[in-house]
Amino acid sequence: EAQVTQNPRYLITVTGKKLTVTCSQNMNHEYMSWYRQDPGLGLRQIYYSMNVEVTDKGDVPEGYKVSRKEKRNFPLILESPSPNQTSLYFCASSSLGEARSYEQYFGPGTRLTVT
Amino acid sequence: LAKTTQPISMDSYEGQEVNITCSHNNIATNDYITWYQQFPSQGPRFIIQGYKTKVTNEVASLFIPADRKSSTLSLPRVSLSDTAVYYCLVDQNAGNMLTFGGGTRLMVKP
Repeated sequence: EAQVTQNPRYLITVTGKKLTVTCSQNMNHEYMSWYRQDPGLGLRQIYYSMNVEVTDKGDVPEGYKVSRKEKRNFPLILESPSPNQTSLYFCASSSLGEARSYEQYFGPGTRLTVT
Repeated sequence: LAKTTQPISMDSYEGQEVNITCSHNNIATNDYITWYQQFPSQGPRFIIQGYKTKVTNEVASLFIPADRKSSTLSLPRVSLSDTAVYYCLVDQNAGNMLTFGGGTRLMVKP
């Protein structure tokens, strides 16, 4: 089954304790992306990757890091989490088709709480 | 950056046709228009995508006028399970971030 998986699904942590949220897709997609969703602010893109070893900042990259060492994986790293990073996080992937448009497939989400 | 404007919310009743219009005045020549559906605590799900005129699939229709400055998502005969947030996106140049905006919260009533 074609899917995007994220782990963990729920995480409660404390300020300053480094954490990684993993994202993996089995569709051989080139494009992967991370979003955060907050009430009243909609979905905002954090980072995206066009392919292996190619990453770029989205709308709200501060406080986050990503890496793309393998095509299927795109982990999101919070080196020193703070309470304002409490949010619902989504990973997405897409094929870079012939047309300049992408149907994105989203993971189930990771609900992160930083105390 | 092509910004989109949608109504914040809409109400409908089961069995009715729902039309959600999105405004994107600054759409670029090569941009596509894409609509997603999102249920609470789930990731958005692709509904339909188009460039011009009309596109139809098993879920919805998308109407795009000639000037492409707006688009309308049409959901035929909605049911309670269509209650969700619907996002209109206009794609950017390859690789650029995709801006979701606030979306339209559709409430379908019995």
